[in-house]
Amino acid sequence: QQQVKQSPQSLIVQKGGISIINCAYENTAFDYFPWYQQFPGKGPALLIAIRPDVSEKKEGRFTISFNKSAKQFSLHIMDSQPGDSATYFCAASLSGSARQLTFGSGTQLTVLP
Amino acid sequence: GAVVSQHPSWVICKSGTSVKIECRSLDFQATTMFWYRQFPKQSLMLMATSNEGSKATYEQGVEKDKFLINHASLTLSTLTVTSAHPEDSSFYICSARVEGGRETQYFGPGTRLLVL
Repeated sequence: QQQVKQSPQSLIVQKGGISIINCAYENTAFDYFPWYQQFPGKGPALLIAIRPDVSEKKEGRFTISFNKSAKQFSLHIMDSQPGDSATYFCAASLSGSARQLTFGSGTQLTVLP
Repeated sequence: GAVVSQHPSWVICKSGTSVKIECRSLDFQATTMFWYRQFPKQSLMLMATSNEGSKATYEQGVEKDKFLINHASLTLSTLTVTSAHPEDSSFYICSARVEGGRETQYFGPGTRLLVL
């Protein structure tokens, strides 16, 4: 019940295209859903996050879509650029706890020039 | 704002020695800090949660006597890998949560440990 399932494992997109990464969770007590971007040899950096009372959140080229009934959320990267090539992790955390993050397995995104 | 640093960024040591990794929140106070381990092309695995002034809470399967965590102040947590062995070689990453209960975790740049 603590798992967050992420797909696809890897994704190749042409420059200017839309990258879509999906995550699904089981525990309905999760109430915070961040996405992190990680470059090789670096720590993860927070990209964007959403709470379940909102169905969509947009920050620049990054959008989270959230479907509470389906227990799914996704990251959309519009106008993907080669500099977006990185590993993306979705995560979820519970209220009333130390706010440990449960991470998805990661998606390696490659944007071709 | 919300910068987390780690030191060292790289460490190579001989088998049997102990290695200390520092995690600092530079511009905020962190009641809670987390330590993760990441193997190549894998996700982050939570090792332990540390709260300032109290004992760390370790995840199942993580040896607390091997991975000593000290959260001595609101800006500093340390992870000591005792009697390191080659299988301890990994990428260790810390994160910190802002004091006050906000949910966002900010991650450090990571420490690459290689045990020969």
